[in-house]
Amino acid sequence: GAGVSQSPSNKVTEKGKDVELRCDPISGHTALYWYRQSLGQGLEFLIYFQGNSAPDKSGLPSDRFSAERTGGSVSTLTIQRTQQEDSAVYLCASSFTWDQETQYFGPGTRLLVL
Amino acid sequence: AQSVTQLGSHVSVSEGALVLLRCNYSSSVPPYLFWYVQYPNQGLQLLLKYTSAATLVKGINGFEAEFKKSETSFHLTKPSAHMSDAAEYFCAVSRLNTGNQFYFGTGTSLTVIP
Repeated sequence: GAGVSQSPSNKVTEKGKDVELRCDPISGHTALYWYRQSLGQGLEFLIYFQGNSAPDKSGLPSDRFSAERTGGSVSTLTIQRTQQEDSAVYLCASSFTWDQETQYFGPGTRLLVL
Repeated sequence: AQSVTQLGSHVSVSEGALVLLRCNYSSSVPPYLFWYVQYPNQGLQLLLKYTSAATLVKGINGFEAEFKKSETSFHLTKPSAHMSDAAEYFCAVSRLNTGNQFYFGTGTSLTVIP
């Protein structure tokens, strides 16, 4: 596609429910990144993929967070048993390779946990 | 370790005035540095990047930034502010060893006064 797409654009859920966020990277981009943007917290790195593998999971805030990528393309970020502090905008980015290439960002998914 | 500090979470300038958004970094190795802009309800868009070539980098929309190693700075400037420049600006440094994880500053919100 022309750019990174994310779905849904907005998600409202109840505390304790699981949510899945989807990211479609730019075609041909091998690296994919997830970030979280919270009010007053700036942008926080969560995880990145090179192909289908995730060498760096250090940014995931808890074991309720997981992510996968299949076919070297689409990625899903799953948050289990959501908490109110999970409310944020979740941003996905992709780059052609992992090596200092410019990252192109999607519009984000705005998650609100009630 | 890498980190980014953006001085001033809010900056206001008059239309036509100089825009100066400050960014200082700390890095254990020569960094790659980026400025991204986020317009309201939109994703992050790359303004410019420094990748160890010319220290003065020109970006889109008339913005430029100068890498100053001695000052560990990468300040963003534009000679004459336009109303359309009102947005959130993020400075980022990339991690050079095991991936392209970006460390973002907390952002600077630019207001342009007519």
